[in-house]
Amino acid sequence: QKEVEQNSGPLSVPEGAIASLNCTYSDRGSQSFFWYRQYSGKSPELIMSIYSNGDKEDGRFTAQLNKASQYVSLLIRDSQPSDSATYLCAVNLRSGGSYIPTFGRGTSLIVHP
Amino acid sequence: GAGVSQSPSNKVTEKGKDVELRCDPISGHTALYWYRQSLGQGLEFLIYFQGNSAPDKSGLPSDRFSAERTGGSVSTLTIQRTQQEDSAVYLCASSVGPGGYTFGSGTRLTVV
Repeated sequence: QKEVEQNSGPLSVPEGAIASLNCTYSDRGSQSFFWYRQYSGKSPELIMSIYSNGDKEDGRFTAQLNKASQYVSLLIRDSQPSDSATYLCAVNLRSGGSYIPTFGRGTSLIVHP
Repeated sequence: GAGVSQSPSNKVTEKGKDVELRCDPISGHTALYWYRQSLGQGLEFLIYFQGNSAPDKSGLPSDRFSAERTGGSVSTLTIQRTQQEDSAVYLCASSVGPGGYTFGSGTRLTVV
């Protein structure tokens, strides 16, 4: 079983709609969760971090965390064509005595005009 | 520096040669990570440095891979006797603590 799982997509939404990206993880002890955006040919860029259960909003982005269900999601409101990219979920998973940011394979988002 | 700097940006090498990839993290960032990303794949963890502690090498795929971090700053990832399956983008990231990580622009390695 993969430690951090995402639907690879592509997820296609019309401009102006809400895009919902989901991620599940295996380690119940995980405390830190991140969403990255990666444009084709570029390196990942941090969008959101979340550490507590509930919602965290930053502009058009909302991260949602449910530790009991081992589930973290990212909502993008008023999606724009420029949001088209691969979205990577990262979870700090235990590795020996340290926590290592472990990435899902990413979900490809396409926002069409 | 203002961001994480990696060099070279591109490297083409012949199978069997050794290569060195360099990462200069953001000043003051104590944590440094190396990942690799193959075409269409996710990020694969390689190695983690935290301050002066012993590195976590659990992600290194073989003993041909090694890394060091001098003076708690610049890191070098060395791949000996390169193979074609080593072809990938090698990414370095740094952070102050277990928070959000800033990635460099990566080194695209092609083994021919």
